[in-house]
Amino acid sequence: AQTVTQSQPEMSVQEAETVTLSCTYDTSENNYYLFWYKQPPSRQMILVIRQEAYKQQNATENRFSVNFQKAAKSFSLKISDSQLGDTAMYFCAFMKRESGGGADGLTFGKGTHLIIQP
Amino acid sequence: KAGVTQTPRYLIKTRGQQVTLSCSPISGHRSVSWYQQTPGQGLQFLFEYFSETQRNKGNFPGRFSGRQFSNSRSEMNVSTLELGDSALYLCASSGISGRAEYQETQYFGPGTRLLVL
Repeated sequence: AQTVTQSQPEMSVQEAETVTLSCTYDTSENNYYLFWYKQPPSRQMILVIRQEAYKQQNATENRFSVNFQKAAKSFSLKISDSQLGDTAMYFCAFMKRESGGGADGLTFGKGTHLIIQP
Repeated sequence: KAGVTQTPRYLIKTRGQQVTLSCSPISGHRSVSWYQQTPGQGLQFLFEYFSETQRNKGNFPGRFSGRQFSNSRSEMNVSTLELGDSALYLCASSGISGRAEYQETQYFGPGTRLLVL
């Protein structure tokens, strides 16, 4: 079984600052995906960024980037030039890669509540 | 392209009743997964359906069941409701739609908030 740990229950930064959210995971799998999802007050779960474990290059999506350290089983999210709309719960998630395609269940961390102050 | 839709959005039931929640995936997606979100337990995987077959199941009692139809729409049923079943139930779909390398990424619907009294 996999576990995902987010050690920061809440973080608060000023608008335009850079913030890094931490995530560590434990697995015996070698082939997997890692994701960051955000859940604003509307409760809609929105994909932020994804990383395939077999790729050494860190994923980036506009202001969002990850630092993926496979050996250390660490997957942190960096948000640059933070905006008020980034205020949300952020969940780190793990998914085993199925050889037949489709989707295995996501294992989520407990989440980090990120507050962007004006 | 329309996203994942879930109905109803809100539901109030009493203990002992049963409930059925519905999920329509993104067009072209054949995999549908269900999750329960509660303040105490966080997000937990319930089950996943692919081509009308349950392929994966989380650690939930048999009161929680589901099915998938030929058009990939899915329903989740909870029988003999308990107070602890009060939660946000999220549905997610994945499949070949857009970028091929994203086919295993799950996209979520807005959720159904269930309150059991």
